[in-house]
Amino acid sequence: QKEVEQNSGPLSVPEGAIASLNCTYSDRGSQSFFWYRQYSGKSPELIMSIYSNGDKEDGRFTAQLNKASQYVSLLIRDSQPSDSATYLCAVPMDSNYQLIWGAGTKLIIKP
Amino acid sequence: SAVISQKPSRDICQRGTSLTIQCQVDSQVTMMFWYRQQPGQSLTLIATANQGSEATYESGFVIDKFPISRPNLTFSTLTVSNMSPEDSSIYLCSVRGQGPYGYTFGSGTRLTVV
Repeated sequence: QKEVEQNSGPLSVPEGAIASLNCTYSDRGSQSFFWYRQYSGKSPELIMSIYSNGDKEDGRFTAQLNKASQYVSLLIRDSQPSDSATYLCAVPMDSNYQLIWGAGTKLIIKP
Repeated sequence: SAVISQKPSRDICQRGTSLTIQCQVDSQVTMMFWYRQQPGQSLTLIATANQGSEATYESGFVIDKFPISRPNLTFSTLTVSNMSPEDSSIYLCSVRGQGPYGYTFGSGTRLTVV
């Protein structure tokens, strides 16, 4: 059974600080990884994808992938109240392209 | 990335009735995915819909309850049949993008069964 695990939170971070979200996965053969943000009552939106070991930066967001340790993380710098949302980690099953979803981490940015 | 128009956005339905949810994609896609999301929960895959073939259902979901239509590469429908209050949830369609674009979602249908 392939699994993706996240701490459900909530994770509370002061405004302006760095929010760190973590995700572990069970399938060592996984090649691509996605971070989605979901505001309450809205559908998930893709904010980061990462395929190679190391860091990938996009604005205030940095995704980090460590395939040897089977974890992927998302860092949000200079956190804003508008970053308050649930962050979902997703990993495709290569055989049929279905996504395996983590439970999601609820992030709260306190002004 | 693909843009998906999902309808209706919300509905309140009587138990025992059926609701059909539509998703229209602005480009041709091979695979479409239908999800259910209970409040405060992650996404649960209902089925994968390929054009020209029967949908593939996940454990716990059956065609009689959730029939899916996929008449062409840009359109799909999910019907929630013989509804009960337990079917109250958000239903989402999704398509797989190319490369770094990941998977795109429709805006969701919030279903309440009374």
